[in-house]
Amino acid sequence: DAGVIQSPRHEVTEMGQEVTLRCKPISGHDYLFWYRQTMMRGLELLIYFNNNVPIDDSGMPEDRFSAKMPNASFSTLKIQPSEPRDSAVYFCASSKAVVNTGELFFGEGSRLTVL
Amino acid sequence: GENVEQHPSTLSVQEGDSAVIKCTYSDSASNYFPWYKQELGKRPQLIIDIRSNVGEKKDQRIAVTLNKTAKHFSLHITETQPEDSAVYFCAAESGGSQGNLIFGKGTKLSVKP
Repeated sequence: DAGVIQSPRHEVTEMGQEVTLRCKPISGHDYLFWYRQTMMRGLELLIYFNNNVPIDDSGMPEDRFSAKMPNASFSTLKIQPSEPRDSAVYFCASSKAVVNTGELFFGEGSRLTVL
Repeated sequence: GENVEQHPSTLSVQEGDSAVIKCTYSDSASNYFPWYKQELGKRPQLIIDIRSNVGEKKDQRIAVTLNKTAKHFSLHITETQPEDSAVYFCAAESGGSQGNLIFGKGTKLSVKP
């Protein structure tokens, strides 16, 4: 398996623009997570899905952020409108079962810069 | 909810010395504590984990200890090598949901040759 695949790897955009980040989890993994990493706040969980259903979105910063998982092999994280403070590395991760029974596999991340 | 504190934020050691990173957690229902290593510009990767039914686990030069009563756990790296230089994250399962991990803010370890 190719692992968790994220795109784009890098995105530079201007404030106010819409940003869409994409993720393909490892086949057969039932859990998908979106994390945001910054120097100040470390790795923050934004939202996670189980069998395509959002379970906990309490980490989503505000209404500008939304995430979807239309099927088992694809998820998106959308920011609209984007702001400079959204600049961060966004990681998608997946796991086969509940996190305490197995490993969480991370993608390579999407580095977002909002000017 | 779960809160994980990690110390120190930076750690510099000489090659061959030991390194210790400590974490505390708040949710007594948490039972799973993994450690991730993130090299510069790369993804975090699991290096070792421990569950609450054991107090210590070892894998070659890496060991993790857990004190459930005090709610803290530690990563020990012995005979450090330059390739151990990275950011290390501790994490705790969010006890309430069992579905996600709450991470510490990370420790940047530098091993000087």
